[in-house]
Amino acid sequence: GQQVMQIPQYQHVQEGEDFTTYCNSSTTLSNIQWYKQRPGGHPVFLIQLVKSGEVKKQKRLTFQFGEAKKNSSLHITATQTTDVGTYFCAGQKTSYDKVIFGPGTSLSVIP
Amino acid sequence: EADIYQTPRYLVIGTGKKITLECSQTMGHDKMYWYQQDPGMELHLIHYSYGVNSTEKGDLSSESTVSRIRTEHFPLTLESARPSHTSQYLCASSSYREGADTQYFGPGTRLTVL
Repeated sequence: GQQVMQIPQYQHVQEGEDFTTYCNSSTTLSNIQWYKQRPGGHPVFLIQLVKSGEVKKQKRLTFQFGEAKKNSSLHITATQTTDVGTYFCAGQKTSYDKVIFGPGTSLSVIP
Repeated sequence: EADIYQTPRYLVIGTGKKITLECSQTMGHDKMYWYQQDPGMELHLIHYSYGVNSTEKGDLSSESTVSRIRTEHFPLTLESARPSHTSQYLCASSSYREGADTQYFGPGTRLTVL
């Protein structure tokens, strides 16, 4: 069946350093979504990408959807302690299919 | 922010008890989901529904059951709780917009079975 993987599983960075998490699907996706879950909280939707090669920015966060629509990345510039949490990517094969979540990347930021 | 509610937020019960976790949303979403998540770990889909009277089991084998009699309500029931059921249970609903099913999560129920 369809699988969505993420690397790394954990990342510890010094405050101010950049951070990138990668998401890879075993099949072509119609869309990629990114969610953030703060410690003790619930996942919160950040953004979705639907076009091949699409790039979107939210302040210090840059999201990219691969040309083949099988991979995606989330890059955070100059991390802050407020960026701490687990970042999940999720994708659908078609708009009629279930959303499949990746296992998440847990980010720790050392002040 | 989406309007999706879960009760109770915390529950501690003894082995063998029957429990129902409540989930309601006021957005009129057709699709609803239940996930099980241990702290800091993966989200495991245990049940989902694409509309009233439609329910399906997810990828994670679960001893729970669900019902969907009303659009806004998607309760999850454990007939006989066991310590292995100790976890966080997250309810979500989704809205299809701009090419994707965006999921909105409730605050979760943290269940401890003694």
